[in-house]
Parts: sequence; C-alpha cells; structure tokens
Amino acid sequence: AQSVTQLDSHVSVSEGTPVLLRCNYSSSYSPSLFWYVQHPNKGLQLLLKYTSAATLVKGINGFEAEFKKSETSFHLTKPSAHMSDAAEYFCVVSTKQYNNNDMRFGAGTRLTVKP
Amino acid sequence: EAGVAQSPRYKIIEKRQSVAFWCNPISGHATLYWYQQILGQGPKLLIQFQNNGVVDDSQLPKDRFSAERLKGVDSTLKIQPAKLEDSAVYLCASSLLPRTPVFGNTIYFGEGSWLTVV
Repeated sequence: AQSVTQLDSHVSVSEGTPVLLRCNYSSSYSPSLFWYVQHPNKGLQLLLKYTSAATLVKGINGFEAEFKKSETSFHLTKPSAHMSDAAEYFCVVSTKQYNNNDMRFGAGTRLTVKP
Repeated sequence: EAGVAQSPRYKIIEKRQSVAFWCNPISGHATLYWYQQILGQGPKLLIQFQNNGVVDDSQLPKDRFSAERLKGVDSTLKIQPAKLEDSAVYLCASSLLPRTPVFGNTIYFGEGSWLTVV
C-alpha cells in the first residue's frame, strides 16, 4: 500500500519569495508522483508528475519538484510566488500501471500569498 | 478541448433525501472516476469505470451510493438516502485508456458538485 504525507497543512509566503510545499511518500513499489492544484470552487489541475524519468520535474506556472528516493520525498518548489498561486495543493502517489485507482491523495497544503 | 463537465455545481438537500450528480468525461477517455472530497481532506476514490464496466468500487458505500455509466460515456452518481456526513464535493475525473504500459497516466478533473446535507 502507498500513502503520502503533506507535512504542512498551511504555508504562507510573501509575493516574490520562494515557495516550498513538502511531501513525503510511502510505497512498496516504484511510485508515480503528482502535484495537483485546486483553486477555490475549481477542479483539480495537474501541475506536474514524476514517472521514473528525470528526477527533477518541471511543471506549469514555474513550479518544479524533485524526486528523492533516499528521502522518500517529492517537494514542490517555485522560485518566486505570485498572488495567483494562492490555492490548495495536493501531493498524490500512484503505483499501478494502466489502472489509476491506486492514486492516494495527501490531505492538502493551503498556500497563502501575501502582497 | 472541452474538459470534464459536471452538474449540478451546487446542491442542498435534507437528510434522507436523494440526489444525483451527472458527469460527462473528456471525449475519448475510456476511464471515468468519481471521488469524494470532504472539507479539509484530499479526494477519496469512490468508483472507477473502464468503458461501461466497474473496475473498482471497494470504497463506495453501496447501501446508499450507486453509480452507472451507460454506453461507456456519461455517468451518474446517486445517493439515497443522504446522511449528514455525505456533505462533500463530488469530483468526476477521466483519463485515457493506454494501449501500452504507462506509468502515471494523467487524470483530468471536473470542477466538482458541492453537496450540503442539512
């Protein structure tokens, strides 16, 4: 079985400063890892995903994440926060090929961006 | 490209009443999912369809929840009778059915149907 732990339920940063959202995973097999973002009253949007290729993954809107197997981590970063980044972020782990029903979501991290 | 469509967006019902949510996946996506997202938590899979067959419904409370996907396209999720703890956002999602082994197939989500049971 696999699971994810998002280490912070709420992160607050100032506009223009770096963003770090932390995620640790647990998986018996080589995982796929995703970050999704959810803006208020909107659906979940894929930011980026790791699928056993390059360990540093670049996503949309300037976000990137690094897969570190030794630390079982997949932290999400962005060099400079923008007001529009304020949202809920979910780390997701999956281990099944073809079948995605083993996608396990973390509890989410709410990012607040202060002007 | 049109995304995953869901309706209604918002619904308020009394406990013990029934409610139905509708989902239209992205064209060509053979796999359809229903997730339940309770406030403050991550989404939890309720049921997964592949075309019109059920792949996984292990977390669906079958005494009150039902879902169908006739003709392998649109899907309906029904709750009858509703309980207070069913208050949540119900997310529909879809993905392609890969022809070759793929790792981490992307799932696309709709905007959700917000249910409040009072």
